[in-house]
Amino acid sequence: GAGVSQTPSNKVTEKGKYVELRCDPISGHTALYWYRQSLGQGPEFLIYFQGTGAADDSGLPNDRFFAVRPEGSVSTLKIQRTERGDSAVYLCASSLMSLAGGGEQFFGPGTRLTVL
Amino acid sequence: AQSVAQPEDQVNVAEGNPLTVKCTYSVSGNPYLFWYVQYPNRGLQFLLKYITGDNLVKGSYGFEAEFNKSQTSFHLKKPSALVSDSALYFCAVRDGRAAGNKLTFGGGTRVLVKP
Repeated sequence: GAGVSQTPSNKVTEKGKYVELRCDPISGHTALYWYRQSLGQGPEFLIYFQGTGAADDSGLPNDRFFAVRPEGSVSTLKIQRTERGDSAVYLCASSLMSLAGGGEQFFGPGTRLTVL
Repeated sequence: AQSVAQPEDQVNVAEGNPLTVKCTYSVSGNPYLFWYVQYPNRGLQFLLKYITGDNLVKGSYGFEAEFNKSQTSFHLKKPSALVSDSALYFCAVRDGRAAGNKLTFGGGTRVLVKP
């Protein structure tokens, strides 16, 4: 079956611009996660959705970052006034159940964001 | 707070030899532990997990890992490495008793299997 998809695969933008990154989770997965992976590091948690609501947004670095999941399926990560330090690979994952039940997360291929 | 340490940036092993990738963790409550593998330009792929039960867990592609509570470790092993196992490996943990669901990842270990 289809896995987690993310678009675009690459995004180059200029400092100060606004970007949107899209994630399409595996059908039927209620939990959706965003992570950020900088070069040479492991993924870092940003935000977790259970259904339509953000259950944990403790990883968002500042108020320039925002994410939505209005219908409980597709999610969009929005970054305002981008900075060069935002350059990273943004990973999306989904799971059939929350990790409270021990379900593993399935990751998409990521969006590589480059801020010039 | 939860954290993961992968003490080796890179592990080199000859094809056919045993492979071990080390992971230690710190978590306040019950550890839920995961191993993922990342190939170039591809997303993370799930290998195996420990939630509860038998300390030795078996996963995909012949990999296994042993949960050791006293040493707070969850080392990944494969009895006979293949060249195709060359990739970046990540260990991750979450607190099974915490309300949140975030995974905390280690910094990754690059495995190079030489023919």
